[in-house]
Amino acid sequence: NAGVTQTPKFQVLKTGQSMTLQCAQDMNHNSMYWYRQDPGMGLRLIYYSASEGTTDKGEVPNGYNVSRLNKREFSLRLESAAPSQTSVYFCASSEATTGGLAGANVLTFGAGSRLTVL
Amino acid sequence: AQTVTQSQPEMSVQEAETVTLSCTYDTSENNYYLFWYKQPPSRQMILVIRQEAYKQQNATENRFSVNFQKAAKSFSLKISDSQLGDTAMYFCARRSGNTGKLIFGQGTTLQVKP
Repeated sequence: NAGVTQTPKFQVLKTGQSMTLQCAQDMNHNSMYWYRQDPGMGLRLIYYSASEGTTDKGEVPNGYNVSRLNKREFSLRLESAAPSQTSVYFCASSEATTGGLAGANVLTFGAGSRLTVL
Repeated sequence: AQTVTQSQPEMSVQEAETVTLSCTYDTSENNYYLFWYKQPPSRQMILVIRQEAYKQQNATENRFSVNFQKAAKSFSLKISDSQLGDTAMYFCARRSGNTGKLIFGQGTTLQVKP
């Protein structure tokens, strides 16, 4: 029972390089999310995907793109990395995000990916 | 912006004692959900407890309980009989009942001392 799997766990980039963080879940969840965690700021939502084929911006989308490849996979891409994107990134999934009971569904998180941009 | 605020960056407690972590939030919704997540040094986010805003009864999970004050928009976490394994960062979060977006507070680092 893998849950949510993120790769890579660690990555060091130079300013201007690009990379993609991969995320896959095996719980048949409809919704997936990308968060970043910075000291003193908690977790902030970058992008989310309510269902396969849809994506929406969160609080801090600038500098990122996402792809919901299929129901299982949701990737996060940094096209031109900047030092301000040094952070720990978390992928998460849940059963649904719409409707009156959407908020009741608990998010399951991956183990996180630590990204350093020099 | 609809925010979640944790005003205690760090706290410590002696093993076996009780500690309360504070959280306040802002929302214009009637239907929403509140959560406490724990993040130990392993970095894994672990759900501690969940509260549905339309329920007046405070949620409890073993040694963990909440004090939910809807009118005051306050959602504190009480940990009873603290254990060394409770040492972690704790995040309060509010989830929109409509969109499902989960918004986190800044976190409180709790150290349980032997």
